[in-house]
Formats: sequence, structure tokens, C-alpha cells
Amino acid sequence: DIQMTQSPSSLSASVGNTVTITCRASQDISNFLAWFQQRPGKAPKSLIYAASSLQSGVPSKFSGSGSGTDFTLTISDLQPEDFATYYCLQYNTYPYTFGQGTKLEI
Amino acid sequence: EVQLVESGGDLAQPGRSLRLSCTGSGFSFDDYGVTWVRQAPGKGLEWVGSIRSETYGGTTKYAASVKGRFTISRDDSKSIAYLQMNTLKTEDTGVYYCCRVDEVRGDAVDIWGLGTLVTVSS
Repeated sequence: DIQMTQSPSSLSASVGNTVTITCRASQDISNFLAWFQQRPGKAPKSLIYAASSLQSGVPSKFSGSGSGTDFTLTISDLQPEDFATYYCLQYNTYPYTFGQGTKLEI
Repeated sequence: EVQLVESGGDLAQPGRSLRLSCTGSGFSFDDYGVTWVRQAPGKGLEWVGSIRSETYGGTTKYAASVKGRFTISRDDSKSIAYLQMNTLKTEDTGVYYCCRVDEVRGDAVDIWGLGTLVTVSS
């Protein structure tokens, strides 16, 4: 199975800051990488697919990059609603696998 | 409005069965694949399994932890996907989400349901 390693596991930031979360795959997954946001007590929300394509309705403050094994999610101009847990998902090969999550805190 | 709604979550004893439903609305359900994801209390997301649209063969794939116990199926005439869960274990406890998979966009997961809670306990 492909292991997805997210870092950091938690991150403190302030309103207005820019943060970057990374996800590393244990083998080449091309660009079959997605990012999701989950606020406490809520269902996950899709942010990015194909490593860098924004889902419909997602603001451009979210951006993704990478290919192969190393990927990043960047969130600019942090607002209170952005403080949540973020997950990556590789969907190149079954079984699909998620990263362990990054909790973004104030 | 495009949405997915899960139902069927309940309290079940170990060894028993449950069937979850995922009902889609606001889009052509048969044009999309469906993935099930679960989340144990206080833990991260875990992929459970997926079913492709009939256009893409209608095939199913499962996580090793549920293979042989869980079965995903779909009834496109009712816009419903099912997750049949047999021989339940306490470690199957969690919130189960269904997700829409856009196969045209390379299997991108785009829409999530709100989830349904399954508790396996004696």
C-alpha cells in the first residue's frame, strides 16, 4: 500500500498568515492527489484535485502543487474559518490512502 | 442543489449486519462513481471502498480491513448506493461518509455527504 505522510501534524498560525502543508507519498502517484478540509464536527469538504486543480467554489487562497511523491497545500490570508484539519488523499492506486491529517490552529 | 445523503447508521452488536444508503440528488447519479470513507471517533479519514459507474464497468474495490465483510452496490434507478456491512466488529465504529467521484475528471472526489454514525458494541 502507498503510505501518505503529512507534515506537520499540527500547526499554529495567525489570521492573515500564509501556511504550507506537505504530503509525501511512499511511491510515485503522478498527480492523483487531493486535499480536503474538515472543520470540527463537520463532514470533509473537497478543496483540490489532481494536485493543483481547485474544486468549484473553492476560493483561490487555496493552492496546491507537486507531482510524483511530494505535494504541498498552501493557504494564504488565513481567516478564522480556515482553522480546521486538512487531509491529503492519493487516488492513483487502490487501496486509496489518506494522510494522517494536519490540524491548523490559531 | 447537488447533494448526497447517507442513512442507515445505528447501534449494532458485534457479528451483526447493517446496510447504509447513500442517496444522490441534483445530478445524474449514474454518471458518477461513489466512494465510502469512514472516520473512527477522534481519528483520521479511512478509505473503505469504491464503486465505479456502469459506464466505467461498475467495478468495486475495498480496503483490506473490510474486504469479504462489506459490499458496495448501486441502484441507479433510485440514485442510491449501498454499503452492506456484515460480521461487524467494534473497530468498524465511526461516521461513514459517501462521496461522489467524477470519473471524467480522473476520479476526483468532489461532493461529500454529511455522514451517518455506526456504533458497534455489545
